[in-house]
Amino acid sequence: QKEVEQDPGPLSVPEGAIVSLNCTYSNSAFQYFMWYRQYSRKGPELLMYTYSSGNKEDGRFTAQVDKSSKYISLFIRDSQPSDSATYLCAMSALIKAAGNKLTFGGGTRVLVKP
Amino acid sequence: GAVVSQHPSRVICKSGTSVKIECRSLDFQATTMFWYRQFPKQSLMLMATSNEGSKATYEQGVEKDKFLINHASLTLSTLTVTSAHPEDSSFYICSAGNRYSTDTQYFGPGTRLTVL
Repeated sequence: QKEVEQDPGPLSVPEGAIVSLNCTYSNSAFQYFMWYRQYSRKGPELLMYTYSSGNKEDGRFTAQVDKSSKYISLFIRDSQPSDSATYLCAMSALIKAAGNKLTFGGGTRVLVKP
Repeated sequence: GAVVSQHPSRVICKSGTSVKIECRSLDFQATTMFWYRQFPKQSLMLMATSNEGSKATYEQGVEKDKFLINHASLTLSTLTVTSAHPEDSSFYICSAGNRYSTDTQYFGPGTRLTVL
């Protein structure tokens, strides 16, 4: 079993819909959670990071963490075709993820249709 | 967010040659840099962790003599693929972070290596 599980998709939604992404993890030591967006043939771009249970909002993006269930989610409101990409969740066992190894989910491919 | 660059963005080389890829943090000092490779439609696979001034730590199964990593300054790390073969063809991505000033790692745009 992988430490971090993420549905590969593809997830296809109409423009304007809410995109719901999630990851489950097995390692209770994970403390720091990130979501990255990766366009084809580009490096991952950081969208959100959080280290506490609950919700964190940034524009159209909401990250949700439930440590008791070992489950994290990313919601994208008012989705646009430009949101079509692969979304990767990542986790770190240490609070300062800057200098520590990240464990990635496999990524979910999202397609927002006009 | 912090900016990380990679050079070159794409390289094609003949089998047996060596290729050097540079990773630079442009607006912060990177205490740690990471090197990943990514195959099509797959997630990132960590190859090694590089701390400035120290030897890189390689992940299990990654040949340190084949993938040479140098992190000589706080803004530059290099990955050299020695005696490249077609199976080394992949997308190589670096990330960088500063454990004192950035909350997480920031990724470069990636380098696509094709070995003929």
